Parts: sequence; C-alpha cells; structure tokens
Amino acid sequence: AQTVTQSQPEMSVQEAETVTLSCTYDTSESDYYLFWYKQPPSRQMILVIRQEAYKQQNATENRFSVNFQKAAKSFSLKISDSQLGDAAMYFCACLNGANSKLTFGKGITLSVRP
Amino acid sequence: DTAVSQTPKYLVTQMGNDKSIKCEQNLGHDTMYWYKQDSKKFLKIMFSYNNKELIINETVPNRFSPKSPDKAHLNLHINSLELGDSAVYFCASSLGRTSISTDTQYFGPGTRLTVL
Repeated sequence: AQTVTQSQPEMSVQEAETVTLSCTYDTSESDYYLFWYKQPPSRQMILVIRQEAYKQQNATENRFSVNFQKAAKSFSLKISDSQLGDAAMYFCACLNGANSKLTFGKGITLSVRP
Repeated sequence: DTAVSQTPKYLVTQMGNDKSIKCEQNLGHDTMYWYKQDSKKFLKIMFSYNNKELIINETVPNRFSPKSPDKAHLNLHINSLELGDSAVYFCASSLGRTSISTDTQYFGPGTRLTVL
C-alpha cells in the first residue's frame, strides 16, 4: 500500500513572498505519478501540478514548482509571489501506475497575509 | 461548459433513506471515479469505472452502488443512509483509454451529503 504524508497541518505566508509545502510519500511501485491539488473554500479540487516519477526534471507551472527528490521520496511544492487567491487547502497525492489508485495526504491549510 | 459536473451540490436527508448523486463529464474521458472526503478533509477513493466497467472497488459498504449508464456518466446510489455517510462526495474523470489509467484526474465540484 502506498502512503502520503503531509506533516504540517497549517502554514502562513505574506503576500508576494515564497512558501514551500512539504510532502513525503512511500510506494513500492516503480511506476507512479505525483500531484498537488488545491481546494479553496469553494471545495472544488483544482489540479496545481503533476510530476512523473520517471522524469528527473522538476515540474513547473507559472508560480508553482516542485522539488522532487526521488531517493528521499519527497515532493514539495513551492509557491512564488504568493497571492491572496492562493489561500486554500493543498493536497499532495500519489497515483499508483499499477492499479490507478490515487492516494491523498491529509492536506495543509495555507493562509496568505495581505 | 463545465468539465465534470455533479448534482445535487447539497443533499440533506434522513437516516434510512435512499439517495443518488449524479455525475457527468464532457471531456471525452473513458475513466470515472468516486471519492469520499470526510469531516477531517481526508479524501479516499471509493470506485472507478473504465468505459462502463468497474475497475476499482475499495472497501465500501454494499449500501453504496455505482452505476455507469455510459462512459460520460457515473452515478452513486446509496441505500439506507447512516449518520456516518455524511461527507463530501467527489466525482472525477481521467482520459484513461485503458483500465489502468495514469492520466490526471479532474474533479467535479463535490456534493455535500448531510444525514440527519
């Protein structure tokens, strides 16, 4: 079974600053994919970024980038130039390539201070 | 032009009732999923269907029965509702041309079910 751990329940960042959200995972699969999803108060689950485990290059999407450390099984999300609209719950997730199961961490609540 | 839609968005009902939640996607995806998000915001897969065929069936009570009339729809029917069924239920879909899908999953807006 695979597990995803987000040990920080909450974080806060000043607007325009940079924040890093931590995530570790454990899987016995060689074929897996990692994701960050954002859930604002509207409760919609929004894809932030996707990383294929077989790719060494860290994924980036505009102000969002990841630090993927495969050996350490670490997958952190960096948000640059934080905006008020970034305030949300962020979930790290791991997709098992052998059975399509997407396992989520417990989430972290990010607040952005104006 | 909503990609993954669910109805209703809110559902309040009494214990013992039977209710259904509908999900539709217009993305042309072949795989659809149901997730449950509990009161602590923990998300867990319940079911997945690929082109109307059941692929993932997690340890979910028999009272929950998914139905896929076609690959664009995946409905969730719940019999004899219990207090513990109160949660947010999310539908999702992925391209998933085969039964094992490593494609990104896109989520609907969720249905908040409250059982009184």
